[in-house]
Amino acid sequence: DTGVSQNPRHKITKRGQNVTFRCDPISEHNRLYWYRQTLGQGPEFLTYFQNEAQLEKSRLLSDRFSAERPKGSFSTLEIQRTEQGDSAMYLCASSLEGSRGETQYFGPGTRLLVL
Amino acid sequence: SQQGEEDPQALSIQEGENATMNCSYKTSINNLQWYRQNSGRGLVHLILIRSNEREKHSGRLRVTLDTSKKSSSLLITASRAADTASYFCATDMSTHNAGNMLTFGGGTRLMVKP
Repeated sequence: DTGVSQNPRHKITKRGQNVTFRCDPISEHNRLYWYRQTLGQGPEFLTYFQNEAQLEKSRLLSDRFSAERPKGSFSTLEIQRTEQGDSAMYLCASSLEGSRGETQYFGPGTRLLVL
Repeated sequence: SQQGEEDPQALSIQEGENATMNCSYKTSINNLQWYRQNSGRGLVHLILIRSNEREKHSGRLRVTLDTSKKSSSLLITASRAADTASYFCATDMSTHNAGNMLTFGGGTRLMVKP
């Protein structure tokens, strides 16, 4: 399967714990995006990488959130000191830089539940 | 805040009928995209329409874009039970050389009854 993959698919954690999610984009894609989706809502943009550089961060991304893409391939999203409000689906997408309007391909998401 | 708003929020139709979903947005865009999401799954890209296009077709899908009204519609013809899903519009307002960050609406939940 050459699509975007995300691990784990589900994560249950207790409030205050740290969690880390991984995203493996489509191999030739140099752009990678993280979105968050709460129940019944559309996804909201969190952050964006072009190769290894993190170029955009949403105001939604508090200091407890950090994302990396060290070698320009896979990316990790870490949430420190989780809160119940962090419970959501975390979606990763990748695209190939080109003319405006490139299609973003989404992974299956990681569903986080903070107890 | 979300840029796009879908209408209706929920739609229930019989198999074989057509389904129309509308999306309105607030600011100028480069393009508008429609995605489908089955319950608990990731998003599947359906179609992209650029700001200088007015209509686009893909199989049973027809998308229109009216930039003067800042609105778009997605028509699914001859619906099937497998079309049951949530449908989202997403707008790309990115500037030149910036990433294509998408802003999604709240979605339309479509149920197609067999």
